[in-house]
Amino acid sequence: NAGVTQTPKFQVLKTGQSMTLQCAQDMNHEYMSWYRQDPGMGLRLIHYSVGAGITDQGEVPNGYNVSRSTTEDFPLRLLSAAPSQTSVYFCASSYSRGLPSTDTQYFGPGTRLTVL
Amino acid sequence: RKEVEQDPGPFNVPEGATVAFNCTYSNSASQSFFWYRQDCRKEPKLLMSVYSSGNEDGRFTAQLNRASQYISLLIRDSKLSDSATYLCVPFTDKLIFGTGTRLQVFP
Repeated sequence: NAGVTQTPKFQVLKTGQSMTLQCAQDMNHEYMSWYRQDPGMGLRLIHYSVGAGITDQGEVPNGYNVSRSTTEDFPLRLLSAAPSQTSVYFCASSYSRGLPSTDTQYFGPGTRLTVL
Repeated sequence: RKEVEQDPGPFNVPEGATVAFNCTYSNSASQSFFWYRQDCRKEPKLLMSVYSSGNEDGRFTAQLNRASQYISLLIRDSKLSDSATYLCVPFTDKLIFGTGTRLQVFP
């Protein structure tokens, strides 16, 4: 299994540009999520999905869209990039959303995004 | 009050030392707790889960005190490879990540 994969690894955007961060997992996990990590702050949840066709907002959803058309893929779209979105973005998946015994989150390697 | 508070460190310890990190959480409804390890510029990886009063896995021991709302992580016989940031993560309806405690083990 490849686990959780993310592309690209690095990206530089200009203010106002849009782009999609890709995330895929091959573990047949139902739950997928996107986090951002900024210096001095813990990982913050952007959006999450408990299964194909179902998405919901996390703690910091503004400026981002997601969709979940398949179990495997969970892309994150930046609609109009802003410097405040400069961050490291992690995608994660787990078998089940909240059951403690199966709640291990597997993280992708991250995408380092800079918005100029 | 922050939902999760951790001493950012860094904790600089020699190989073989025992080191302990504390973490306090504000939501008394938190059901389970996790310690994640994050190496520099890498993704977090699960180190331990804590569901009752504690858990032990080799050199690592996690203890939970629900009355005082804190969790600790004890690392015995520190190795150079233990150098990383350790994230405290309570779970209620979602995971709440702390900012982490940085550990540097030196020879």
